Amino acid sequence: EPEVTQTPSHQVTQMGQEVILRCVPISNHLYFYWYRQILGQKVEFLVSFYNNEISEKSEIFDDQFSVERPDGSNFTLKIRSTKLEDSAMYFCASGGGPGQGNQPQHFGDGTRLSIL
Amino acid sequence: AQSVTQLDSHVSVSEGTPVLLRCNYSSSYSPSLFWYVQHPNKGLQLLLKYTSAATLVKGINGFEAEFKKSETSFHLTKPSAHMSDAAEYFCVVSLKAAGNKLTFGGGTRVLVKP
Repeated sequence: EPEVTQTPSHQVTQMGQEVILRCVPISNHLYFYWYRQILGQKVEFLVSFYNNEISEKSEIFDDQFSVERPDGSNFTLKIRSTKLEDSAMYFCASGGGPGQGNQPQHFGDGTRLSIL
Repeated sequence: AQSVTQLDSHVSVSEGTPVLLRCNYSSSYSPSLFWYVQHPNKGLQLLLKYTSAATLVKGINGFEAEFKKSETSFHLTKPSAHMSDAAEYFCVVSLKAAGNKLTFGGGTRVLVKP
């Protein structure tokens, strides 16, 4: 069965450094998402992406965050200047092939981001 | 606005006994509802979904959930727990009007005792 894959599984970065989290969504999906889960807290929506642009973003997704689908297969989340509070598990999800709408969403295994 | 409340943060059951995970939602419109499971160090796996068809939804691994609009509930059940069911379970709501972003409940951690 097709899967969403995320790399790396664990990323350790110094505060203030840039980090790029990578995701390969399911190949015929059209809708892409990033969520995060801070330890001990709920999974939170960050951003959705469709037709090569952001369709919705949360308050968390400020100017330090950006997303890109550079080559038609990868979907990346960049944090420009990381802060301690960015430490979390980041999940990529994709959903919806042609004519299927964007439900349900399929998730990757996540990238654990640790900011030192 | 939409929200989800999972009424139990932890549930402990004995192997072979029924499992009940409770979920209540709040939504201005007809929502889509999901249950996802997360095993340790793994991603979120879809168990089942409700999208306005049958109110009793059957999922993978013997789980099912019933949508009750009058009670705004979507409780997850399984008749007989297995050791492999030990995991964290998330009730999730989605609204087309809200761009289909998922809103998660706080999760219920299930412990299965032998």
